[in-house]
Formats: sequence, C-alpha cells, structure tokens
Amino acid sequence: AQKVTQAQTEISVVEKEDVTLDCVYETRDTTYYLFWYKQPPSGELVFLIRRNSFDEQNEISGRYSWNFQKSTSSFNFTITASQVVDSAVYFCALSEGTNAGKSTFGDGTTLTVKP
Amino acid sequence: EAQVTQNPRYLITVTGKKLTVTCSQNMNHEYMSWYRQDPGLGLRQIYYSMNVEVTDKGDVPEGYKVSRKEKRNFPLILESPSPNQTSLYFCASSLVADYNEQFFGPGTRLTVL
Repeated sequence: AQKVTQAQTEISVVEKEDVTLDCVYETRDTTYYLFWYKQPPSGELVFLIRRNSFDEQNEISGRYSWNFQKSTSSFNFTITASQVVDSAVYFCALSEGTNAGKSTFGDGTTLTVKP
Repeated sequence: EAQVTQNPRYLITVTGKKLTVTCSQNMNHEYMSWYRQDPGLGLRQIYYSMNVEVTDKGDVPEGYKVSRKEKRNFPLILESPSPNQTSLYFCASSLVADYNEQFFGPGTRLTVL
C-alpha cells in the first residue's frame, strides 16, 4: 500500500530564512510519481512539481528546490529566502504506476512565514 | 480558460437529505477524482475515474456515489448525508492518471447538521 508521511505538521519561520519541508513515501512499485502541491490561505490547490521514480535529478525553480532521494524514500522541498507569500499548506503526494488512479496525499505541512 | 468548476461552493444541509455536488472540467481530461479535506488528515481520495463509465473506489468511499457518463462531468452523490461527511470537498482532473499533475476545483464546503 502506498503511503506518504509529512512529519512536520506546522513550521514557523521569519522572512528570509530557508526552510525545508520533509516528505517520506512508501511504495512497492518501481514506477511511481511524486508531487508537491501548495494550498495558500485562499484555499485553492496549486501544482508545484512532479518527479518520476526514474529521475533522481534535483530541481531548482527560483527560490524553490526539491531533493529526491530513492535511497531514503524522501522527496524534500526547500524554500530559500522565504517570503510571507510562501505561507500556505504544502502537500506531498504519490501515485503508483501499477495502481494508476489511486493518489495518496500526506497530511500536509502548514508553513507560516512571519515578516 | 482551462478550469475545473464545482457547484455549489457552500452547502448546509440536514442528515439524510440527498445531495449532489457537480464537477466539470473543460480540458478534455480523461482522469477525474474526488477528495475530502479534513483538519489534520490531508486530502483523502473518495472515488476516481480513469475515463467515461470507468470509476473506482479511493480510500474513503463509504457513503458516496459517483458516475461518469460524460468525459467532462463527474458528480459526487451523497444519498443519505451524515454529520461525519461535513468536510471540504475537492474535485480534480488530469490528462491521464498517475503521471500528470492534477488540476483542482475551488472546493465545496459541506456542512451536514
């Protein structure tokens, strides 16, 4: 069974600090896909990034970066120089190749960035 | 504009009164899914549909029904709502399952008294 764990329920930082959101996943599939979504206070869910299990390359997009490590089953998300607008709930999600359609989300991490 | 729409956005109802939450997407996506979001529990998948006339249970299907008669629509039906179905519901769609990111509707906040 697939599972996603986001152990950090809430994180609070001061603006310009760097912050890392942890995501640990469990799957028996060799083909799977990992995602991060953002839910700002306005409530909508916004896609941030996708990674497939065969691509362990880390990715950087502006102040955002993602570290995918199959050896530790982790897909962590780092925000550099955080800003107040980064305040949101962040969800990590997993879809398996052989169980297409089933999508498992973590419980989410609420990030608060204070000015 | 490419989007997923849900109606109603807010609904207060009473126990046992059947209701339907509609979901529609205009992106010609094959895959659609329903989730509920509860505090501390993240998003939990209720039902999903790989294509027209193909639906399957997610992790929390009890008390819900769905249908997929047309590609663009995926209504969520609560035939006899109960207070434990009070939640925030999201519909989502993607081009195909598993690989593609999901596009989410704005959410429907349901209160069952």
